[in-house]
Amino acid sequence: EVQLLESGGGLVQPGGSLRLSCAASGFNFSGFAMAWVRQAPGKGLECVSPISGSSGSTFYADSVKGRFTISRDNSRNTLYLQMSSLRAEDTAVYYCAKVRGGSEWFGDLSLDYWGQGTVVTVSS
Amino acid sequence: IVLTQSPGTLSLSPGEGATLSCRASQTVSRTYVAWYQKKPGQAPRLLIYGASTRASGIPDRFSGSGSGTDFTLTISGLEPEDFAVYYCQQYGSAPPYTFGQGTKLEIK
Repeated sequence: EVQLLESGGGLVQPGGSLRLSCAASGFNFSGFAMAWVRQAPGKGLECVSPISGSSGSTFYADSVKGRFTISRDNSRNTLYLQMSSLRAEDTAVYYCAKVRGGSEWFGDLSLDYWGQGTVVTVSS
Repeated sequence: IVLTQSPGTLSLSPGEGATLSCRASQTVSRTYVAWYQKKPGQAPRLLIYGASTRASGIPDRFSGSGSGTDFTLTISGLEPEDFAVYYCQQYGSAPPYTFGQGTKLEIK
């Protein structure tokens, strides 16, 4: 059974940093691209950043470019999102999700398994 | 690519059929559109990918269609558990791979 478990969310002041983790199990982690998707309160879904299975290919939404870094440790079956220079508008539930198609995300970012999410609140 | 979903809210009764629309600002290559169901406090659930292929375990009352710029999610015979927010997503061309703003399907 595929399981994705996010952690690391919490309350942080504007300008602060936070690192999210997503522990994956039940599938060949290195064989699949992964992504972080967020949902701000009362808003829709936004794909923040995908990463290929080998970590060779990443992408960032304009809203987080230069502030967030996605990474993965295939030996630990874990996905990360390092967030810095956080702003109030980064307040959201952050989900990690598995890319359905395989190890590359470019051209196929349908997401077939999602974690339950971790809440990030940026406020003073 | 901007995705516009309509209607914003759809009020229907169990047993009725639902038609949800997703219109893209430009052609979505290879009909790479997905549909997700989202309930409060739950993770999104993939329903349809490739515009018309049901994901694993999805009941056949859910169907997707469309090409180019116009895509549709159809739910035949609404069950109580189908009332949720539905999002379309395009992922066929260069990123960013955007989501629509969602359609809320509520019980009438």
